[in-house]
Amino acid sequence: DQQVKQNSPSLSVQEGRISILNCDYTNSMFDYFLWYKKYPAEGPTFLISISSIKDKNEDGRFTVFLNKSAKHLSLHIVPSQPGDSAVYFCAASGNAGNMLTFGGGTRLMVKP
Amino acid sequence: GAVVSQHPSRVICKSGTSVKIECRSLDFQATTMFWYRQFPKQSLMLMATSNEGSKATYEQGVEKDKFLINHASLTLSTLTVTSAHPEDSSFYICSAVASGRGWPEAFFGQGTRLTVV
Repeated sequence: DQQVKQNSPSLSVQEGRISILNCDYTNSMFDYFLWYKKYPAEGPTFLISISSIKDKNEDGRFTVFLNKSAKHLSLHIVPSQPGDSAVYFCAASGNAGNMLTFGGGTRLMVKP
Repeated sequence: GAVVSQHPSRVICKSGTSVKIECRSLDFQATTMFWYRQFPKQSLMLMATSNEGSKATYEQGVEKDKFLINHASLTLSTLTVTSAHPEDSSFYICSAVASGRGWPEAFFGQGTRLTVV
């Protein structure tokens, strides 16, 4: 049973436009959410996070929105750049020991 | 940001041999480290949770005797793949959680590409 789901395996966006990556979760005990960016053959890089007490967190071109009632979060990248092309994972935490549960990832392709 | 160093980045070994992968937190103490495995075009699968000074907690389906985890200090955890088989070929990634922070920011190593021939 996947507790964190990213239903879109891939997304293609034109440079300069907005990229919106979505993530849904089922475990109501999750209270902290993170987004990671991953290039092939490299470890994930932390991008941005949000706690359940907030509904929005912004860091430069990246904004994460959290809708607790819908158990949904999204990552907005604007403007999108070709260097943003990577696989993006959302992750959730709420278990003891700070264990992260990852979604399946969404491959973002930003076309010049 | 915090740095987690994973070594080696690539390793090729023969079937039946053992391979050790190291994960070090370079500028912070990590009471908890995690080991993940990633199959091609798939998500990160948590293999085990490693706590300093105690036995690792393995996820269901992960063989404890095959994937030996040691977390001997607050900055080092090792994963040893014993009696490696070709199906063990994968990308292994460690992550470390910085102690004392208010939120669970996990920092990842660069990953290790294991190829068993």
